[in-house]
Amino acid sequence: EAGVTQSPTHLIKTRGQQATLRCSPISGHTSVYWYQQALGLGLQFLLWYDEGEERNRGNFPPRFSGRQFPNYSSELNVNALELEDSALYLCASSGSGPMGNEQFFGPGTRLTVL
Amino acid sequence: QQQVKQSPQSLIVQKGGISIINCAYENTAFDYFPWYQQFPGKGPALLIAIRPDVSEKKEGRFTISFNKSAKQFSLHIMDSQPGDSATYFCAAIDNAGNMLTFGGGTRLMVKP
Repeated sequence: EAGVTQSPTHLIKTRGQQATLRCSPISGHTSVYWYQQALGLGLQFLLWYDEGEERNRGNFPPRFSGRQFPNYSSELNVNALELEDSALYLCASSGSGPMGNEQFFGPGTRLTVL
Repeated sequence: QQQVKQSPQSLIVQKGGISIINCAYENTAFDYFPWYQQFPGKGPALLIAIRPDVSEKKEGRFTISFNKSAKQFSLHIMDSQPGDSATYFCAAIDNAGNMLTFGGGTRLMVKP
């Protein structure tokens, strides 16, 4: 069974540009989560999507946004990029039922803002 | 506000030894506590998890001990191997929000 996939692996942008990151969840999973792993700041929750709806949002500015498509894949958009947005962006997915809390991560997208 | 505190930040253990990583939490609404293992350049991998109605869970060489009254939980890695060298994160989930709140991570090095 394929795990969570993310694209691209690396992304280099300049300040002020927009970045789009993509995630495909494990087959059968309906929830997608986005986390930011920045150097020195650990892993921080960004967004949670379930059944196409944004369910929860972490303490990030509105220029971080996303969506979930009917096939449960998801997109994270970061507008007006700032240098401090440089980080590893991780996507995770989870299913429903008794094991619904288990979140499985993809390999991440390394975003570098110059 | 750091709701999950993890210690130590780094740990060096000899091959065959026991690695112990501790976490403490504040939010009593947390009801699911996973541990993740992350190798450089990779995403975190779910290692083992526990719910607060259980005081201990063992899977192979990995054991979680949970103390609900103290709001603490720990990961024990028995017979540590060089291949266990990685960064370990404890985490917690509050079902109301469904997002993982992570500890700061522990970089484990197992010396041959």
